[in-house]
Amino acid sequence: AQSVTQPDIHITVSEGASLELRCNYSYGATPYLFWYVQSPGQGLQLLLKYFSGDTLVQGIKGFEAEFKRSQSSFNLRKPSVHWSDAAEYFCAVGARGTGNQFYFGTGTSLTVIP
Amino acid sequence: SAVISQKPSRDICQRGTSLTIQCQVDSQVTMMFWYRQQPGQSLTLIATANQGSEATYESGFVIDKFPISRPNLTFSTLTVSNMSPEDSSIYLCSGGGLEAFFGQGTRLTVV
Repeated sequence: AQSVTQPDIHITVSEGASLELRCNYSYGATPYLFWYVQSPGQGLQLLLKYFSGDTLVQGIKGFEAEFKRSQSSFNLRKPSVHWSDAAEYFCAVGARGTGNQFYFGTGTSLTVIP
Repeated sequence: SAVISQKPSRDICQRGTSLTIQCQVDSQVTMMFWYRQQPGQSLTLIATANQGSEATYESGFVIDKFPISRPNLTFSTLTVSNMSPEDSSIYLCSGGGLEAFFGQGTRLTVV
């Protein structure tokens, strides 16, 4: 069965510091992988996605993520965090061939301190 | 990319009543999905809304409680029926091709 694990429930970083949010998935084949961000009271905004090809993908707002098949991981990174990055981050797996049904991780809440 | 408009954005409802949430996409999409996000939790898929056929419900969700309509390729509704305080959640719709785009969500409080 498909599943997504985000081991870190909450992360606190200083503004300007680097960030890495972890995501591990379980899926029988190569999935579609996504990172979404949710600000308080808002819907989900797509940060980046991986379908195939280059395993390092660039997204919006300076985020990037690397797909590592051997580790079943798709960690999100940002070299320098801004206060506006404080939000909830969700990793998701899109199951191929099921009409794009998504499975979400439990989310990582990011706090940015000045 | 698709833009998804969802309404109402929030509502406070009396227990025992029903609320219908509307989701409009600015382009045609084959499938639309409805999710529930309970306070402090991740998204749980309620059902897949298929145009021209009945919705497909995930385990733990039933049509009598969450009837869904999909009259065309740009519109869907989710009704939360006979509400109880446990139904207080954010409800989100999504649609799109390989990547899902989400509406802003409906924050429902049942009192």
